Amino acid sequence: SQELEQSPQSLIVQEGKNLTINCTSSKTLYGLYWYKQKYGEGLIFLMMLQKGGEEKSHEKITAKLDEKKQQSSLHITASQPSHAGIYLCGADEGSARQLTFGSGTQLTVLP
Amino acid sequence: DTAVSQTPKYLVTQMGNDKSIKCEQNLGHDTMYWYKQDSKKFLKIMFSYNNKELIINETVPNRFSPKSPDKAHLNLHINSLELGDSAVYFCASSQGGSYGYTFGSGTRLTVV
Repeated sequence: SQELEQSPQSLIVQEGKNLTINCTSSKTLYGLYWYKQKYGEGLIFLMMLQKGGEEKSHEKITAKLDEKKQQSSLHITASQPSHAGIYLCGADEGSARQLTFGSGTQLTVLP
Repeated sequence: DTAVSQTPKYLVTQMGNDKSIKCEQNLGHDTMYWYKQDSKKFLKIMFSYNNKELIINETVPNRFSPKSPDKAHLNLHINSLELGDSAVYFCASSQGGSYGYTFGSGTRLTVV
């Protein structure tokens, strides 16, 4: 089955700093999803990437999928306290029609 | 107009009890899921279900059973609750392709 490794496990940054979270798969990704979770809340969909080399942006968050479709990165520019939470990458194997998640990255943004 | 709704949001119960968590989606999706999030925030698939196939994660104890009265509902029934069942349970749905997965807001189950 798909295995996803996320790094770092936790990240503490000063407000205004840029940061990157990585997600690496043991297999070629059919679809790679990024979600954000705030404490006590559900998962908020951020972006989905499917094509090798694809890059998507939403506000100050950019996600990329490498050409081999085995690694994705999530980059936040000029971080704000509102960006704090747990970031989860999820992989869709296509045929199985289910998401397998990485272990998550806990992001803290200090004001 | 919640897309995927779960009830209850919080559930506190004693060991040995039987409980159910309900999930409904109004997106017209054909597949629904249950995920368990442990204390370390790791999300793990428990079941995926559409009107043709139930896929069970082999690590899920048979005390857990999904019940789907119709395409829009997938309830989770848990027998003989144990302390280790304490977690947050998420329901989700999808339509496949590039439409993604939509998650409910979670049910925090505490077994005492």
